[in-house]
Amino acid sequence: EDQVTQSPEALRLQEGESSSLNCSYTVSGLRGLFWYRQDPGKGPEFLFTLYSAGEEKEKERLKATLTKKESFLHITAPKPEDSATYLCAVHNSGGSNYKLTFGKGTLLTVNP
Amino acid sequence: NAGVTQTPKFRILKIGQSMTLQCTQDMNHNYMYWYRQDPGMGLKLIYYSVGAGITDKGEVPNGYNVSRSTTEDFPLRLELAAPSQTSVYFCASSQPRQGARTYEQYFGPGTRLTVT
Repeated sequence: EDQVTQSPEALRLQEGESSSLNCSYTVSGLRGLFWYRQDPGKGPEFLFTLYSAGEEKEKERLKATLTKKESFLHITAPKPEDSATYLCAVHNSGGSNYKLTFGKGTLLTVNP
Repeated sequence: NAGVTQTPKFRILKIGQSMTLQCTQDMNHNYMYWYRQDPGMGLKLIYYSVGAGITDKGEVPNGYNVSRSTTEDFPLRLELAAPSQTSVYFCASSQPRQGARTYEQYFGPGTRLTVT
């Protein structure tokens, strides 16, 4: 069974204090790994798709990286508006075309 | 584009009542999904559809039904509501692309349902 574990559950940073969120996964084969951002009371917002180990993607202060067992979401010099829950999900290559397995998320709070 | 829209935003039901959660997308996506999100838990797939007239069960389908008569709409029906169905419900859509290994899902804003 596919498993996705995100850590830490919650992270509090000061504005400008860089850090990383972790997503560890267990799948029989990976079609892709997704990162989403979810603001309180809103639906998840797509950020990145990573396909292969060694791949990196960037968007503003966020950079996502992928290894064969985990993905990191690096946040450089965060601002208060980066505060949100960040979700990770995997798509198993042995599975169907539709099913994603989601982690429970990391709640990030950036204080001014 | 409005993307994925859901109505209502909030609803309180009494045990045993029924209701339909509405979902519409204007991106001409073939695939649509219903998830529930409970506090401290990952999103769980309830039902999905790969096109008009085609639906199938996800991980947690008990107590729910769906239909897909058009590409745009994918309503979720709750029959005989129970307290265990108290949750936030998200509709999502995606579009397979030729040659792509996978494709991102786009989510609506959610419906917060309380069953008392």
